[in-house]
Amino acid sequence: DTAVSQTPKYLVTQMGNDKSIKCEQNLGHDTMYWYKQDSKKFLKIMFSYNNKELIINETVPNRFSPKSPDKAHLNLHINSLELGDSAVYFCASSQVFQEQYFGPGTRLTVT
Amino acid sequence: QQQVKQSPQSLIVQKGGIPIINCAYENTAFDYFPWYQQFPGKGPALLIAIRPDVSEKKEGRFTISFNKSAKQFSLHIMDSQPGDSATYFCAASLFNAGNMLTFGGGTRLMVKP
Repeated sequence: DTAVSQTPKYLVTQMGNDKSIKCEQNLGHDTMYWYKQDSKKFLKIMFSYNNKELIINETVPNRFSPKSPDKAHLNLHINSLELGDSAVYFCASSQVFQEQYFGPGTRLTVT
Repeated sequence: QQQVKQSPQSLIVQKGGIPIINCAYENTAFDYFPWYQQFPGKGPALLIAIRPDVSEKKEGRFTISFNKSAKQFSLHIMDSQPGDSATYFCAASLFNAGNMLTFGGGTRLMVKP
């Protein structure tokens, strides 16, 4: 009965590859988010998405793109992976004007 | 430019002590200030949050103090326990405009038995 789940938990890949991280929430929330946590534990918002609006943090490279097949899922696609993309990526969800709940994270390592 | 500054980076207290973590923000439009707790290998979990129309909020052993004029807010943990050892993050957002959280740098708290 996990509220916000992510797959995979660990992802190791080579530079230049394209990869996706999946996120699913079973809370009935209508807004989902992606955050990046770097090696120094700093958390940074990447995207906010609901069925009406995608808000992109201006610092996020356009190699990153969120894709939502339905209201319960927000997947993160990353093209042409770079060493600097290595981090832990967290998905979160919330009801409109409510607090955010985070998933367990996906540790991405680019070699 | 770091919009939310958090201090200290690390903190060690004895069991029963009252650790205090401070945050300062720059954007006066921020209207939602949550605190998150993160254990190793886990996602951040919401502890407590405050809106700027109140100066203090308590939930169990956790208290947020908020000073709007100084653009500062802090987390107090009463009667701290070893199980409180974790990394704590303050954050701020425009609650009604996407609620995209801007996080502080985190504080690693260790509570010694």
